[in-house]
Amino acid sequence: SAVISQKPSRDICQRGTSLTIQCQVDSQVTMMFWYRQQPGQSLTLIATANQGSEATYESGFVIDKFPISRPNLTFSTLTVSNMSPEDSSIYLCSVENTRNTEAFFGQGTRLTVV
Amino acid sequence: GENVEQHPSTLSVQEGDSAVIKCTYSDSASNYFPWYKQELGKRPQLIIDIRSNVGEKKDQRIAVTLNKTAKHFSLHITETQPEDSAVYFCAASKGNQGGKLIFGQGTELSVKP
Repeated sequence: SAVISQKPSRDICQRGTSLTIQCQVDSQVTMMFWYRQQPGQSLTLIATANQGSEATYESGFVIDKFPISRPNLTFSTLTVSNMSPEDSSIYLCSVENTRNTEAFFGQGTRLTVV
Repeated sequence: GENVEQHPSTLSVQEGDSAVIKCTYSDSASNYFPWYKQELGKRPQLIIDIRSNVGEKKDQRIAVTLNKTAKHFSLHITETQPEDSAVYFCAASKGNQGGKLIFGQGTELSVKP
């Protein structure tokens, strides 16, 4: 499986600020995804990061709040903008194995907004 | 859109017993059903998956069954061990997008020695 590195692993941020999370994969992958896991909850898909085009957002998530970049086949960023305490969550990137469509996760970014 | 329901939310078993976690899905077009294990503070790890052209799949102590007609799939863990204690998530996806997953609510499994 691909090795996925996410940075930062955790951060504490002031409300109203923005944080950009990076996801680096050790091999080229077609599909990259961003998920949110609120405290004690399940995972919710935020968006699909498309290489060379705008991300595709799921219902309830918008580009102004969660802008995503995907400049190449090994890297993506998720920005959490104008943060509020309700944005405190773990954010995870995920990549899909091109050969058999299995999905693997990065270690996550634990965000606390104060 | 797809909705995945998972039961139970918590499950406590004695070491050596079996554990069963059940999920139902709503979208008949879903065709890929992975199960993830998440230990405290760790990332979700894929433990087993099943595709809609198969009714059952087994990997050592772990098995998954799928009933397409009922839109129901289950995870079976036999001879449970304390290290099986974790939160387990079922998920579903469709088409060729195995990474675009809709997750169940999770089951916290506790295996008591």
